[in-house]
Amino acid sequence: DGGITQSPKYLFRKEGQNVTLSCEQNLNHDAMYWYRQDPGQGLRLIYYSQIVNDFQKGDIAEGYSVSREKKESFPLTVTSAQKNPTAFYLCASSISLHIGELFFGEGSRLTVL
Amino acid sequence: DQQVKQNSPSLSVQEGRISILNCDYTNSMFDYFLWYKKYPAEGPTFLISISSIKDKNEDGRFTVFLNKSAKHLSLHIVPSQPGDSAVYFCAASSRPPQGGSEKLVFGKGTKLTVNP
Repeated sequence: DGGITQSPKYLFRKEGQNVTLSCEQNLNHDAMYWYRQDPGQGLRLIYYSQIVNDFQKGDIAEGYSVSREKKESFPLTVTSAQKNPTAFYLCASSISLHIGELFFGEGSRLTVL
Repeated sequence: DQQVKQNSPSLSVQEGRISILNCDYTNSMFDYFLWYKKYPAEGPTFLISISSIKDKNEDGRFTVFLNKSAKHLSLHIVPSQPGDSAVYFCAASSRPPQGGSEKLVFGKGTKLTVNP
């Protein structure tokens, strides 16, 4: 079955630690995205990648980093510079940057203790 | 400044009745609109979309209406079923070259509860 797999589903981190969230897709999509969702809020774009070895900052990129070394993988690192990292993180993909239907993973909930 | 607004945080309807979820937008450049459905602790799933050249798009029990002059769209679910209980997000973007998927702007969502 094609889809997007995020791991881990739940993650706890101590303040000051970096943490990396995994996102893998087998849909052969070119574009991938990372969103953050906070309670009562819409989805906010952190980073996106149109193609392998290319990525761009979204609306709230500060304190985050990404890489896109393979078409199917788009990991997100939440660094210690992110001031409020506790949130629900969603990875998504689309056929290309110019097709609006996004396919989402199941999300990763990060809690900073 | 919210460009996409879902002013009702929650909505409760009886099974079999119509659910109407509303969404307003402020950016006149938006010309492509989508609805996503999200269950707790899961990622959103695409439900239905509409482009600005249409004022209605229907898919089974789901219909989206677009009123461009009012900058308003609505999602109708008829008949509503308990399994429709979820958070519904409205999203909007401009078509390329002005925009693309990375320009999708999401509303805050409306939690729909369908009571048996």
